[in-house]
Amino acid sequence: GENVEQHPSTLSVQEGDSAVIKCTYSDSASNYFPWYKQELGKRPQLIIDIRSNVGEKKDQRIAVTLNKTAKHFSLHITETQPEDSAVYFCAVWMDSSYKLIFGSGTRLLVRP
Amino acid sequence: NAGVTQTPKFQVLKTGQSMTLQCAQDMNHEYMSWYRQDPGMGLRLIHYSVGAGITDQGEVPNGYNVSRSTTEDFPLRLLSAAPSQTSVYFCASNPGTGGFGELFFGEGSRLTVL
Repeated sequence: GENVEQHPSTLSVQEGDSAVIKCTYSDSASNYFPWYKQELGKRPQLIIDIRSNVGEKKDQRIAVTLNKTAKHFSLHITETQPEDSAVYFCAVWMDSSYKLIFGSGTRLLVRP
Repeated sequence: NAGVTQTPKFQVLKTGQSMTLQCAQDMNHEYMSWYRQDPGMGLRLIHYSVGAGITDQGEVPNGYNVSRSTTEDFPLRLLSAAPSQTSVYFCASNPGTGGFGELFFGEGSRLTVL
């Protein structure tokens, strides 16, 4: 089955700095790659996603890049703010399996 | 729309007891799924359904049963609870058509098995 690895497990940055979280996956048939943010005690919420026919997507301070050849994708957060502190999850979807498989999560702490 | 509704929000069970976590959505979504969340292990897929009458296993299905008799409801049953099933459980849904997109999560159900 699909295997999704996410690094790092924790990340601490100074406010205003950039943060990068990386995920690798195993199945080359995967075609949809979302990122979710989960604040303490809350449900996960989608923040950005990318499909396999696109290499990069931006939405204000967040961006996702996809390298299908290397089977990895990354979340980039620029000009980090304290409210960016949360746990971030990557996920991988395959149309053939109907499964959305999540990475193990990254706890991001933005220090004021 | 209420979105995805899970009940109960909190539950304490003794080992060997059975219970059902309820999940309902009012968005007419075809795809529904159950995840469990444990510290350091992310969200792991238990079971999923692509439509009424159809269910399939995810990554960690052992100890859990599901059914999908209607589009709206997708209950998760624990037949004989074990301490290893202590976790936070999330139900989630997606329209299931036009290519997969956002997964809409319920608020979660925190289960403790003593």
